[in-house]
Amino acid sequence: DTGVSQDPRHKITKRGQNVTFRCDPISEHNRLYWYRQTLGQGPEFLTYFQNEAQLEKSRLLSDRFSAERPKGSFSTLEIQRTEQGDSAMYLCASSSVPGQGAKEKLFFGSGTQLSVL
Amino acid sequence: QKEVEQNSGPLSVPEGAIASLNCTYSDRGSQSFFWYRQYSGKSPELIMFIYSNGDKEDGRFTAQLNKASQYVSLLIRDSQPSDSATYLCAVDSGNTGFQKLVFGTGTRLLVSP
Repeated sequence: DTGVSQDPRHKITKRGQNVTFRCDPISEHNRLYWYRQTLGQGPEFLTYFQNEAQLEKSRLLSDRFSAERPKGSFSTLEIQRTEQGDSAMYLCASSSVPGQGAKEKLFFGSGTQLSVL
Repeated sequence: QKEVEQNSGPLSVPEGAIASLNCTYSDRGSQSFFWYRQYSGKSPELIMFIYSNGDKEDGRFTAQLNKASQYVSLLIRDSQPSDSATYLCAVDSGNTGFQKLVFGTGTRLLVSP
């Protein structure tokens, strides 16, 4: 188990292009989250999956953003028609449903740094 | 708008001193509180969590929670240069069934040798 893996680590794109990021969670984790972090700010929640079901989406996730987790394992986050304001670190985190009396802990990946020129 | 406030710092302490990091939150119904450490260019790493009023100790770290004052703090004893990082406070309302965390902007800690 190598932790949460994200690919690519860095992505530079031109405004208007589409980009897709991938996240591979820790293998036994059924919960997967996407957060976004801009420079000097804390991460902001974008969306949450339990297995393959997307159960929550932030208002930050405009209709240009789409996330999937087709088989309840890896997830992809696609941004269409990128804008300069989309430049940020996109963080994926995973966890498992906590057992009785236990508390959920998120494990973050290293993130994908997106730069939109 | 649920908010989590932190002083951005930097907080500078000499090696071996106690570093005290503070956080306030606006949602009185918040249930769970987390401290993450983030080195420059790296992902956040969970170092402490606390749910009940009072203190919780783990090694050199102590988290303190005062729900009446809506205040969370993190104490780092015997600070080391390797503790130099940004410390993020995060709050979970606890009413979603999953961790929809609201993060503060983080406090940058600098520990000088």
